[in-house]
Amino acid sequence: EIVLTQSPGTLSLSPGERATLSCRASPSVSSSYLAWYQQKPGQAPRLLIYGASIRATGIPDRFSGSGSGTDFTLTISRLEPEDFAVYYCQQYGRSPLTFGGGTKVEIK
Amino acid sequence: QVQLVESGGGVVQPGGSLRLSCAASGFTFSTYGMHWVRQAPRKGLEWVAFIRYDGSNEHYGDSVKGRFSISRDKSKNTLYLQMNSLRVEDTAVYYCAKEGSGTYYAVNNGGYMDVWGKGTTVTVSS
Repeated sequence: EIVLTQSPGTLSLSPGERATLSCRASPSVSSSYLAWYQQKPGQAPRLLIYGASIRATGIPDRFSGSGSGTDFTLTISRLEPEDFAVYYCQQYGRSPLTFGGGTKVEIK
Repeated sequence: QVQLVESGGGVVQPGGSLRLSCAASGFTFSTYGMHWVRQAPRKGLEWVAFIRYDGSNEHYGDSVKGRFSISRDKSKNTLYLQMNSLRVEDTAVYYCAKEGSGTYYAVNNGGYMDVWGKGTTVTVSS
């Protein structure tokens, strides 16, 4: 099983600031088969990024993904009020599919 | 528009059974793999099961293997999750989700989830 470790657990930032979220995989994820999701309280998750760096349909370009192998990053270039949420990474390179524990981005 | 609507959640005693349904609309259901993902109260996401677009292949998470069964009915555009031998730790919101990847590996084993339902709540308690 591939274990995904997200850090930090909580990120306290102000609107307009840059957010950098980390997702580390052990062992490595093949072929950049990594996705990122956003979840707001009481809502279902929403797909942001797949293939480590490809934005899903309708996702603003302030969201970007990068990385390969064991280290992946989700960057939000300038936080908007609606971006404060929990973010999860998920790997789909090996069964069972696994999610990271999540990073909460909260308003400072 | 693409829509997934789960139903069938409720309160059940440990050791009991429950069947969840997920009604799909707005896309050609028979050509996409489907997933169940759950989220325990105040916890993260846990992948539960995947079924291939034609129902010919299934995969399960270790915590539910042998107890849960995923299936689909293309005539009803509906996905199911039969849950047997339920445990307190199965308490969660259960989401169904549509498979988003078209790669050979993901078609057969599951990939990422591009559309999610709103979820249905399962509570296992005596």
